[in-house]
Amino acid sequence: KAGVTQTPRYLIKTRGQQVTLSCSPISGHRSVSWYQQTPGQGLQFLFEYFSETQRNKGNFPGRFSGRQFSNSRSEMNVSTLELGDSALYLCASSLGLESDTQYFGPGTRLTVL
Amino acid sequence: AQSVTQLGSHVSVSEGALVLLRCNYSSSVPPYLFWYVQYPNQGLQLLLKYTSAATLVKGINGFEAEFKKSETSFHLTKPSAHMSDAAEYFCAVSGSGGYNKLIFGAGTRLAVHP
Repeated sequence: KAGVTQTPRYLIKTRGQQVTLSCSPISGHRSVSWYQQTPGQGLQFLFEYFSETQRNKGNFPGRFSGRQFSNSRSEMNVSTLELGDSALYLCASSLGLESDTQYFGPGTRLTVL
Repeated sequence: AQSVTQLGSHVSVSEGALVLLRCNYSSSVPPYLFWYVQYPNQGLQLLLKYTSAATLVKGINGFEAEFKKSETSFHLTKPSAHMSDAAEYFCAVSGSGGYNKLIFGAGTRLAVHP
């Protein structure tokens, strides 16, 4: 099976812009979770989507949003970018049951100038 | 609330030596515990997970971890380090009804020297 794929792998934006990141889960997986990884804050949970519904949300401002499509692919959007949004954004997929293993993609490296 | 503490942000061992990476957790419910490894410019790869079936969990690449409820610990070990084990290791917890919400520790960077 193909693994979790994320596009693009690298992205450079300027402050105030918005960005959309994409994640394609492993075939058959219905849950997609997003995480932000920074040197200062480490790995932080953004949100999880299951069957096109947001099932869980972390403590991030409303500028961070996401959605999931009927084929389980997911996108996350960050509006009005700030310098502090520079990070590695990781997507993980799973079957969606409690304690399921989450399989991570390679991440999208976002740099905000 | 759940939390994870990894003692030691950097650990250095000689090739062939024992690897011990420490993880302590806090959880008000029986936790699910995970160890992930991250190589440079890559995502996270699961090493092993604890889901209450057995306290000693064996994972990939010769790693194992023991769940000790009394100590709220889930330390990762490997009897003999290889150069290829150099990476960053993350301990994570889930299980408070948050389904796939993983709470990660700060990570431990493992260096292996000849």
